[in-house]
Amino acid sequence: TQLLEQSPQFLSIQEGENLTVYCNSSSVFSSLQWYRQEPGEGPVLLVTVVTGGEVKKLKRLTFQFGDARKDSSLHITAAQPGDTGLYLCAGESGGSNYKLTFGKGTLLTVNP
Amino acid sequence: SQTIHQWPATLVQPVGSPLSLECTVEGTSNPNLYWYRQAAGRGLQLLFYSVGIGQISSEVPQNLSASRPQDRQFILSSKKLLLSDSGFYLCAWAPGVNTEAFFGQGTRLTVV
Repeated sequence: TQLLEQSPQFLSIQEGENLTVYCNSSSVFSSLQWYRQEPGEGPVLLVTVVTGGEVKKLKRLTFQFGDARKDSSLHITAAQPGDTGLYLCAGESGGSNYKLTFGKGTLLTVNP
Repeated sequence: SQTIHQWPATLVQPVGSPLSLECTVEGTSNPNLYWYRQAAGRGLQLLFYSVGIGQISSEVPQNLSASRPQDRQFILSSKKLLLSDSGFYLCAWAPGVNTEAFFGQGTRLTVV
């Protein structure tokens, strides 16, 4: 069974601070995705990383895929209250496996 | 563009009653379809996935079943609900392997 461990589970910071959340596994994934979910709604895709060592930027969000494709990080610069939400990573192992394996998420609260 | 519809948004059902949650996708053909359950706003547990009409794979033994009577329709059912079936149920679709998933708005099920 492939597992994705996300840390920290909970994070509460002040507006303007920087933060990094992590997604780690002992398994190799062909791609890894980050989603953001608000209460009562479905997750929304933020980014997909595919190549080991890949870095993608989405405004104030920076995503990195580990060289070995087993881990990933999400860094947010100058966090804003609108960044509040549950951040989920999901790994896709490729081949004939059609399943996405999700981590348990990091619940981020940005206080004004 | 593709859209996914999931209903109802909320549902309160007594123990022992049947369940039917429906999910439909528009704007695409032959999607991979998924049912997830999310407990307490945390990680997503994959319940069922389908790669085609009538093809259902179950991830965990449980009181639930799934069916795909049409290409873009995915139904989650139960003959007799248990209290432990309460949760947030999410339907998702993906274009194929190694691709991201797109989620519906979710159904909050409370079994009383």
